[in-house]
Amino acid sequence: SQQGEEDPQALSIQEGENATMNCSYKTSINNLQWYRQNSGRGLVHLILIRSNEREKHSGRLRVTLDTSKKSSSLLITASRAADTASYFCATDEMNRDDKIIFGKGTRLHILP
Amino acid sequence: NAGVTQTPKFQVLKTGQSMTLQCAQDMNHEYMSWYRQDPGMGLRLIHYSVGAGITDQGEVPNGYNVSRSTTEDFPLRLLSAAPSQTSVYFCASSPGGRGNSPLHFGNGTRLTVT
Repeated sequence: SQQGEEDPQALSIQEGENATMNCSYKTSINNLQWYRQNSGRGLVHLILIRSNEREKHSGRLRVTLDTSKKSSSLLITASRAADTASYFCATDEMNRDDKIIFGKGTRLHILP
Repeated sequence: NAGVTQTPKFQVLKTGQSMTLQCAQDMNHEYMSWYRQDPGMGLRLIHYSVGAGITDQGEVPNGYNVSRSTTEDFPLRLLSAAPSQTSVYFCASSPGGRGNSPLHFGNGTRLTVT
């Protein structure tokens, strides 16, 4: 079964607003990653957060990790039309960090 | 720098046919993996390799074979195609070989089995 589960499945917001997506996972992890996929293309890596980190920033992206709740969130601030894409979290497992498992993703649509 | 190259981009097979999806990377990455993506299912790991000569099963390995004779190439073989294998297949590689390294993805192979 899949490790990560994103929430919501789909999200539509107005351009300029902030978008928040959540990821919950089942087993203890070493690392959690977020990826973006534009329609029909390969995934692009956004940010990696390690299990001993609580927050990371990259440009307009902010990722938090709560290992006690086995959850992570991705915040995109000041959204743009180009942010329209699917977003996936991916995790390894504490004792199997060579196996990287993806969730089902959140489809984000930025309305003009 | 080409990155991860997948061929072909599109393929149509009849049930029972076999074929090999090619994946090559020119970044000298040790770790390579194959995923399939179906609507509403996200990406599911088929097989992966942490280095030449080493392969292991992912979440959905049945019906697929892999080998890793060189660092650069990681072909995925469908032995006897079934309609359930209709999907988009992505190959990925990373330098670190573990979850602490970002994956680099190819652009995918869209496979239809009739």
